[in-house]
Amino acid sequence: DAKTTQPPSMDCAEGRAANLPCNHSTISGNEYVYWYRQIHSQGPQYIIHGLKNNETNEMASLIITEDRKSSTLILPHATLRDTAVYYCPRGSGNTGKLIFGQGTTLQVKP
Amino acid sequence: DVKVTQSSRYLVKRTGEKVFLECVQDMDHENMFWYRQDPGLGLRLIYFSYDVKMKEKGDIPEGYSVSREKKERFSLILESASTNQTSMYLCASSSRTSWADTQYFGPGTRLTVL
Repeated sequence: DAKTTQPPSMDCAEGRAANLPCNHSTISGNEYVYWYRQIHSQGPQYIIHGLKNNETNEMASLIITEDRKSSTLILPHATLRDTAVYYCPRGSGNTGKLIFGQGTTLQVKP
Repeated sequence: DVKVTQSSRYLVKRTGEKVFLECVQDMDHENMFWYRQDPGLGLRLIYFSYDVKMKEKGDIPEGYSVSREKKERFSLILESASTNQTSMYLCASSSRTSWADTQYFGPGTRLTVL
């Protein structure tokens, strides 16, 4: 199956780091890993993407294993507003298509 | 900021009706996409388009068609709506100018077919 796999749900305490794993064991060499999140009743929002190297932006950090078969999204200081469904689709830059899995529901608790 | 808008947030239609879902983006993006989202199934690609008048089938095109007459507008058409097409429909767009193409999503249309 070409889809990514993620745990269905996770909890995190407010102020702590949230580490969300993603398995993409069949990823091709030219496919990027993307992370999106979807807050209830809204469209998915882009967070970060990477190919081989770890990446960081103002929202999150992305750690990609050396074999590229898995990745971890890190929200360094989770807030209640980070409660959402997080997706890690994979995509090839030359087609523009993204392949989504079922996502992880992250619940940030006070 | 990129803006992707969808014509309706909520829509209720009857079985057998022809349904049009409209999507407009304001960033001159070449690529546009239609997904449906169902509980437990995540996002599934219905159709996508790389350019005006071009379309490609996604993973679940049956029962749907699309139209792209202008670059900024991508329409999803349900020729004869059925109850199993009750779902959340999401439109997205992306640019082909960079190697990694981030997709920008609209707010979604929740369609109920009675």
